[in-house]
Amino acid sequence: DAKTTQPPSMDCAEGRAANLPCNHSTISGNEYVYWYRQIHSQGPQYIIHGLKNNETNEMASLIITEDRKSSTLILPHATLRDTAVYYCIVRVAGGNEKLTFGTGTRLTIIP
Amino acid sequence: SQTIHQWPATLVQPVGSPLSLECTVEGTSNPNLYWYRQAAGRGLQLLFYSVGIGQISSEVPQNLSASRPQDRQFILSSKKLLLSDSGFYLCAWAGTRTYNEQFFGPGTRLTVL
Repeated sequence: DAKTTQPPSMDCAEGRAANLPCNHSTISGNEYVYWYRQIHSQGPQYIIHGLKNNETNEMASLIITEDRKSSTLILPHATLRDTAVYYCIVRVAGGNEKLTFGTGTRLTIIP
Repeated sequence: SQTIHQWPATLVQPVGSPLSLECTVEGTSNPNLYWYRQAAGRGLQLLFYSVGIGQISSEVPQNLSASRPQDRQFILSSKKLLLSDSGFYLCAWAGTRTYNEQFFGPGTRLTVL
């Protein structure tokens, strides 16, 4: 799996959009970008994934640059419950591929 | 809908004692199953994964073993616990369709004293 680089921590005001960056400059053409988050003392939760097009679901939006070397996860209206560690992972989709978690970004939502 | 169960939620064990953590999945068949460990303040480390009954792949050499006696049951074991085995143990499952996102259980917090 390609490696990713994320800032160790970020703060965001409640109600504002939280933009979490991720660099994955060595991503391969068949690797997807996945985002998970882990709220304290819970298991990680899948958020979203994408290949090259921008994606949106009920939780977040994922913006992938045209060269696919970086991406941004956007939480449009952050709430206190969004405080968590966010992991950006790149991997080949399908089959039995395992996830390799880095240390992620610790996002703190400020009231 | 699919659910994943882990037990116990917390466990305190003395060094040298055995360990057995159980994970079961409901609502799906033939899932891929995974055991992860998260040491305090660290990221998640994949320990084992399984693509079918009796099929176990180990990611790192360690004091632990895993077994999959049934399709939706995954067990993590140790004959003799070490202090370094303390951590948060997470079981996850994934389907075998294309995008294969993983769904995690609630975890077991193990403290070895």
